[in-house]
Amino acid sequence: DGGITQSPKYLFRKEGQNVTLSCEQNLNHDAMYWYRQDPGQGLRLIYYSQIVNDFQKGDIAEGYSVSREKKESFPLTVTSAQKNPTAFYLCATSLGGQGSYEQYFGPGTRLTVT
Amino acid sequence: GQNIDQPTEMTATEGAIVQINCTYQTSGFNGLFWYQQHAGEAPTFLSYNVLDGLEEKGRFSSFLSRSKGYSYLLLKELQMKDSASYLCAVRGLGAAGNKLTFGGGTRVLVKP
Repeated sequence: DGGITQSPKYLFRKEGQNVTLSCEQNLNHDAMYWYRQDPGQGLRLIYYSQIVNDFQKGDIAEGYSVSREKKESFPLTVTSAQKNPTAFYLCATSLGGQGSYEQYFGPGTRLTVT
Repeated sequence: GQNIDQPTEMTATEGAIVQINCTYQTSGFNGLFWYQQHAGEAPTFLSYNVLDGLEEKGRFSSFLSRSKGYSYLLLKELQMKDSASYLCAVRGLGAAGNKLTFGGGTRVLVKP
């Protein structure tokens, strides 16, 4: 099946620990994105990558890091420097380039830090 | 930068019509998307407008006026399953061409 996989669906961590959220896709899409969503809010862009080995900061990159070593994978690390890490994290992909390509979203990971 | 506004919540009756407005102020514009998001789930694509006018797709239609920085999503013959949040997102230009900036979402509650 083609799609975007995010695992796990629910993740619990203690404050002060780094945690890595996975995002894997087999859609052969060039571009990948990470968003954060807080309750009752819209999506805010954390990082995005338009091609392998390249990525750019989004609007709220502080306290987060990413890598893009393979086309299929775009893991997000939530570091202890992120002040309010509890949120719903969504990974998305698109064909990239300048076409009118919509973004496809994975099922999301709900992270709770206590 | 981008600034996108949409109402927080709307309520409508099953079988009725609801119009969700979205206004935007952007430094560059290359299209507007509407997504539907059920609680706890991922957003799913509904529509894309880049030229002025109305795009109709079944019970859902989306309108764009670039000169007014305005779009709306029209949901007709409302069904209970249409209860969800509806997200307006604007696409940037140039190097930011793949970036989408989202509004806060409009939660629509459909009542029997």
